[in-house]
Amino acid sequence: AQSVTQLGSHVSVSEGALVLLRCNYSSSVPPYLFWYVQYPNQGLQLLLKYTTGATLVKGINGFEAEFKKSETSFHLTKPSAHMSDAAEYFCAVSDQGGGADGLTFGKGTHLIIQP
Amino acid sequence: NAGVTQTPKFQVLKTGQSMTLQCAQDMNHNSMYWYRQDPGMGLRLIYYSASEGTTDKGEVPNGYNVSRLNKREFSLRLESAAPSQTSVYFCASVRLEAFFGQGTRLTVV
Repeated sequence: AQSVTQLGSHVSVSEGALVLLRCNYSSSVPPYLFWYVQYPNQGLQLLLKYTTGATLVKGINGFEAEFKKSETSFHLTKPSAHMSDAAEYFCAVSDQGGGADGLTFGKGTHLIIQP
Repeated sequence: NAGVTQTPKFQVLKTGQSMTLQCAQDMNHNSMYWYRQDPGMGLRLIYYSASEGTTDKGEVPNGYNVSRLNKREFSLRLESAAPSQTSVYFCASVRLEAFFGQGTRLTVV
């Protein structure tokens, strides 16, 4: 079975500072990895994804993430935080095979932006 | 192109009442999932359907039933609602990545 661990249920950064949200995964097969964002009272939308190829992936709103197989990590970063980035962020892993383990989510990290 | 549509958006039930949450997707995906979201718990899988005509239990199936009516529609039924089922429910249509509906906020009193 696969799993996802997000370090820190809440992360607070100042506007303009670096955003770093941590995600570690376990998977018995080469994984597909995702970051989703959820704004208040909305559904989840895809921020970025890694499937194959380049390990540094860029997403919407200036976010990027790097797949590091040796560290089983897929941390999300943004160089300069904006107030509009305040949201809940979820890391997810897929074993590509569908089923109950087809897509497993972490518990989420609430990103707080301080003015 | 609507993507994934969930109804209703909000619902209040009394303990013991039943209801069905509806979900429809127009992306021609085989796989559809139902999750519940609770504070600090992330998204937990209730049931999923890998293809039309098949359904399987996820992590937290107790108290729920599902129907994959056709390729487009995947409904979630609460036969006898309990306060512990107060949650936000999300339907997702999945092909490699998940496409989510806007959610149903359910309160059981």
